Amino acid sequence: SAVISQKPSRDICQRGTSLTIQCQVDSQVTMMFWYRQQPGQSLTLIATANQGSEATYESGFVIDKFPISRPNLTFSTLTVSNMSPEDSSIYLCSVGTGGTVGETQYFGPGTRLLVL
Amino acid sequence: QKEVEQNSGPLSVPEGAIASLNCTYSDRGSQSFFWYRQYSGKSPELIMFIYSNGDKEDGRFTAQLNKASQYVSLLIRDSQPSDSATYLCAPTYNFNKFYFGSGTKLNVKP
Repeated sequence: SAVISQKPSRDICQRGTSLTIQCQVDSQVTMMFWYRQQPGQSLTLIATANQGSEATYESGFVIDKFPISRPNLTFSTLTVSNMSPEDSSIYLCSVGTGGTVGETQYFGPGTRLLVL
Repeated sequence: QKEVEQNSGPLSVPEGAIASLNCTYSDRGSQSFFWYRQYSGKSPELIMFIYSNGDKEDGRFTAQLNKASQYVSLLIRDSQPSDSATYLCAPTYNFNKFYFGSGTKLNVKP
């Protein structure tokens, strides 16, 4: 499995501002994913980020609100733009490690975001 | 919309008992089925996955898959208090897209 770190681990932000979350992996991976987990809820996929191509967003998530960068095979960022209290959540990155039956995903420690 | 249903629980079992966690899914195209454990305040950690009908064992954990019934389960033998967590079921689609259930909270009582 890969070792994944995220920065920041938590933050408190004012509405209308933006926060960029970083995800770093200790090995090169093709696929990285960004999820949101709202309090008491399960994980919702925001987008898939592959190096060298535009991120693919899930229904309900748009690039203007959640721009993603994937400059190389070990790093990605997710920006939460023009934040509102509804964006308060845990944001998780995960990496896919390919196998014979497809990708297994391993998760970073998460970023806890509170928007006031 | 791909639905993944799990009983939210909490499921309470005594220490040493078998815990049985169930999951049903709507997408017949799902190829692999993953189980994750999530402790409160932590990120999900992989327990195991299964992709063929039948049983797959890994230590105290056994995953069971029945694609005809669109049903997957996780059995935990000799449950320990340290197994108390939320268990997430995640069928996959297109080999890399995971759809997570809402999870079952397990309490193992000493």
